[in-house]
Amino acid sequence: SQTIHQWPATLVQPVGSPLSLECTVEGTSNPNLYWYRQAAGRGLQLLFYSVGIGQISSEVPQNLSASRPQDRQFILSSKKLLLSDSGFYLCAWGRGRTSGDNEQFFGPGTRLTVL
Amino acid sequence: DQQVKQNSPSLSVQEGRISILNCDYTNSMFDYFLWYKKYPAEGPTFLISISSIKDKNEDGRFTVFLNKSAKHLSLHIVPSQPGDSAVYFCAASVGNNDMRFGAGTRLTVKP
Repeated sequence: SQTIHQWPATLVQPVGSPLSLECTVEGTSNPNLYWYRQAAGRGLQLLFYSVGIGQISSEVPQNLSASRPQDRQFILSSKKLLLSDSGFYLCAWGRGRTSGDNEQFFGPGTRLTVL
Repeated sequence: DQQVKQNSPSLSVQEGRISILNCDYTNSMFDYFLWYKKYPAEGPTFLISISSIKDKNEDGRFTVFLNKSAKHLSLHIVPSQPGDSAVYFCAASVGNNDMRFGAGTRLTVKP
């Protein structure tokens, strides 16, 4: 069965510090990978998605970047955090439309607080 | 822009009654719709989905209805149980990667 891991679960960082959140998927190969952010009282906003190693698409201009160094590893980074980067970050994987559906499976999330 | 809207931030229902969660969308290109359930401090979990070629999909206590002409879908939970208390997100997609989520509706089922 497939599982998705995210760490850390919670993180408190000062403004201007760097960020690295990691996501790994087990039990599947060549997944589509996604990073979402849920800000307080708002829905899930797609930040990045990747259809393969080294392939990153960005949905919104922002202070963050993403990388996919391995097939089942997806990293969210920032060189200098802003207060507005606080939120709940979710990694997800999916098989895409070729599987017949577009379901995405989410990780447990990381609660980031920037002070 | 908010292409998927859940206009009710919260809903409270008595145990055993029906819960109806609503969702509206603006992009007529959306062709696949999903509902996710989310508990605090956890990632969303998939609940039920519907393709645009259907108008109803049922799975146990959960039924999703799609009205394409009105660009509206709804999730019915019957009978509602206290364990159903969570935030429910509506999502819509077109293509392989473009999935848009609503802001969520917090459902509280009272015993």
